[in-house]
Amino acid sequence: NAGVTQTPKFQVLKTGQSMTLQCAQDMNHNSMYWYRQDPGMGLRLIYYSASEGTTDKGEVPNGYNVSRLNKREFSLRLESAAPSQTSVYFCASLRGQGTISNYGYTFGSGTRLTVV
Amino acid sequence: TQLLEQSPQFLSIQEGENLTVYCNSSSVFSSLQWYRQEPGEGPVLLVTVVTGGEVKKLKRLTFQFGDARKDSSLHITAAQPGDTGLYLCAGAGNNDMRFGAGTRLTVKP
Repeated sequence: NAGVTQTPKFQVLKTGQSMTLQCAQDMNHNSMYWYRQDPGMGLRLIYYSASEGTTDKGEVPNGYNVSRLNKREFSLRLESAAPSQTSVYFCASLRGQGTISNYGYTFGSGTRLTVV
Repeated sequence: TQLLEQSPQFLSIQEGENLTVYCNSSSVFSSLQWYRQEPGEGPVLLVTVVTGGEVKKLKRLTFQFGDARKDSSLHITAAQPGDTGLYLCAGAGNNDMRFGAGTRLTVKP
């Protein structure tokens, strides 16, 4: 059982380049999330999808777009990368219908992105 | 400003020692979770606490939720090198969890 799979694991971009981070889960979870993790700041929510076909902004959505391609897949796109987007990005999924449950998130292993 | 403040930020102890880390907020949460994260990996859920005053035990780890549901603590008894990692608390919001910045624990053999 793979859980949540993220690709790529590492990426270096030049300022202004674009890229898409991929995320897929095989647990039949309804809700999926994208977080970024920066030193001293914890995990901050970028976007989330409470169910297939819906997406909503989180705490730090500027500079990002998302697509919930189907129930399994939730991608994060940087249209024009900036150095401030250097971070570790985590995708997560959750049992339930977009509300917090006792089950907790299942996280992927992250994408370490550097923008130079 | 972090919604959830975790302390200490860093903690380095010897194997066998006991320790407590804290998670504090001015907000009330319907539930609070603790995760452990190892280098190069995503956080892994340890426990969820829901009721004010609740205490849960997971082997050598004891989790407590404050009576007012604004704070929580994690106590580790007889720490082992395998306990090394980043411990994150997270409080349930309307649509997501809000995370603290974490306590980075190192247990030396």
